[in-house]
Amino acid sequence: DTEVTQTPKHLVMGMTNKKSLKCEQHMGHRAMYWYKQKAKKPPELMFVYSYEKLSINESVPSRFSPECPNSSLLNLHLHALQPEDSALYLCASSQSDRVSNTEAFFGQGTRLTVV
Amino acid sequence: GESVGLHLPTLSVQEGDNSIINCAYSNSASDYFIWYKQESGKGPQFIIDIRSNMDKRQGQRVTVLLNKTVKHLSLQIAATQPGDSAVYFCAEPKGEAGGGADGLTFGKGTHLIIQP
Repeated sequence: DTEVTQTPKHLVMGMTNKKSLKCEQHMGHRAMYWYKQKAKKPPELMFVYSYEKLSINESVPSRFSPECPNSSLLNLHLHALQPEDSALYLCASSQSDRVSNTEAFFGQGTRLTVV
Repeated sequence: GESVGLHLPTLSVQEGDNSIINCAYSNSASDYFIWYKQESGKGPQFIIDIRSNMDKRQGQRVTVLLNKTVKHLSLQIAATQPGDSAVYFCAEPKGEAGGGADGLTFGKGTHLIIQP
């Protein structure tokens, strides 16, 4: 199984809503990531979890709250988002040892629209 | 700091021709590079990678060349097919070599269009 599964595929939410994005992998990877991708732009790193601990937060606003319940799951909790937060949110996973291989496997993404 | 960029935003080639997508990087200490393909509505998909101790690496219909002297890498796709139409990104790990998982920095991307 070399898949990273993200749900939902599409999400429309109001600025006062609370919602969560979910990501799951069963490749035994101990590093998981959230990226944000705006239209016609490259993915931009948001968060890195390594061995279920948050290791990198790329100065992401607190209205985005990541959570890693176990080694296979990664959530992104959303609250009080702005329309400019509309984007494709990508989850990825990789082996955590940078020296050996940092190839990241990406999910299909959640297309988020904030209205 | 490190940066990964691309020379051309769009590349149009005839089906069956070879294509070359270029990427420049600025950090001479960069030691690992990855090429990803992203089709419309999908997440990036790994194509091929290369370490700095190599100049060339070949996969199925794809070849990556690394020129450390001028800090340039390229992705060559042979005998392009309609399914090769996508955006192609070069990427490299953030952070210092030997560290843990740091995430990736992506280049701007090249949109490859295969003309019938």
